[in-house]
Amino acid sequence: AQSVTQLDSHVSVSEGTPVLLRCNYSSSYSPSLFWYVQHPNKGLQLLLKYTSAATLVKGINGFEAEFKKSETSFHLTKPSAHMSDAAEYFCVVSDWRGADGLTFGKGTHLIIQP
Amino acid sequence: DADVTQTPRNRITKTGKRIMLECSQTKGHDRMYWYRQDPGLGLRLIYYSFDVKDINKGEISDGYSVSRQAQAKFSLSLESAIPNQTALYFCATSDWTQETQYFGPGTRLLVL
Repeated sequence: AQSVTQLDSHVSVSEGTPVLLRCNYSSSYSPSLFWYVQHPNKGLQLLLKYTSAATLVKGINGFEAEFKKSETSFHLTKPSAHMSDAAEYFCVVSDWRGADGLTFGKGTHLIIQP
Repeated sequence: DADVTQTPRNRITKTGKRIMLECSQTKGHDRMYWYRQDPGLGLRLIYYSFDVKDINKGEISDGYSVSRQAQAKFSLSLESAIPNQTALYFCATSDWTQETQYFGPGTRLLVL
């Protein structure tokens, strides 16, 4: 069984300041981990993914995430927030077999203050 | 053209009605999925299909059925819609590695 916990339902930062969205996971096998973003009234877009290669993963729009097996974490960061980053972010886990599809966290709503 | 399309994009129906949501993909993927999204709950898996002859229940399959008409088409049916099935429904596809899933734009369903 696999699960994912997003530790914050809402995060508010000022434009130009760093972003940190926290995610912890649980998986019986070596997991694949993803971050997806959903802008208002839009579908989901893949930001980045970890699939057992480099532990520091770079994604689109300046986002990156670090896989830490010892902490079972996969936190998403960005050095400087932009107004266009305001959206819902989902941390997602999939075990290597893929039999269960993806398991989504409940989402973190990122608010960018001007 | 979008790789994963969903029809309709919006639908209002009444309790007890049967409705079908359709998904088509041009990515050539074998695997297709249906999810529903509710505020504060993220996305939850309803059904998934690894190929045309393979259908599997997900976390919340009760009240739903699916049909995989072809590699490119995967339909979700609500046999008798009820108000708590009001949600945003997403179709997704992936190849056999399932390293990435590609999502359609979603269907917003309101059951009155």
